[in-house]
Amino acid sequence: DAMVIQNPRYQVTQFGKPVTLSCSQTLNHNVMYWYQQKSSQAPKLLFHYYDKDFNNEADTPDNFQSRRPNTSFCFLDIRSPGLGDAAMYLCATSRLGQGTGEQYFGPGTRLTVT
Amino acid sequence: GENVEQHPSTLSVQEGDSAVIKCTYSDSASNYFPWYKQELGKRPQLIIDIRSNVGEKKDQRIAVTLNKTAKHFSLHITETQPEDSAVYFCAASRPGTYKYIFGTGTRLKVLA
Repeated sequence: DAMVIQNPRYQVTQFGKPVTLSCSQTLNHNVMYWYQQKSSQAPKLLFHYYDKDFNNEADTPDNFQSRRPNTSFCFLDIRSPGLGDAAMYLCATSRLGQGTGEQYFGPGTRLTVT
Repeated sequence: GENVEQHPSTLSVQEGDSAVIKCTYSDSASNYFPWYKQELGKRPQLIIDIRSNVGEKKDQRIAVTLNKTAKHFSLHITETQPEDSAVYFCAASRPGTYKYIFGTGTRLKVLA
């Protein structure tokens, strides 16, 4: 009964080698988010989708891109990972217009850059 | 811009004692205040939340209080147990948006 699923859970990539992280949800939520989290710091919002509308945070590097091909799936692409991109990447979902707007987080993908 | 301050950054309590974590927000339009617990290596999980039309909410050993005038809200954990040890994040959100402003987190250690 997993609600927000992230794959893979652990990803190792080489410096500069493109990597894609995936997120899927069974909640039929209309908003999906990607966060970056480093060593017990607060999650940092990279971008989010409201349905198909993409919203980028002003300080998100161009190196980070995202795709949402349908309601259930969302991808995070890192075009040229640097050592500073090693972090936990969290996907979250919420449903606007219903309930409290609570965000449900996936288990995260821990990215290592070598 | 909007921000949420959270204190303390670390908190150690003896098992059975109470723990209090405080957050102050800057955006007076904020109306939803969730608290998340994150254990090491795991996802943040909602433990309690409060809306601005309510001053207090309780769920077993945890409670949240909100002071809209002062723009602060607090998490109270009573009868702490070792499994309460985690990082706790507060957040604030305003109507019509779907973004949280997170606090910086509090690492709670409950000593057995």
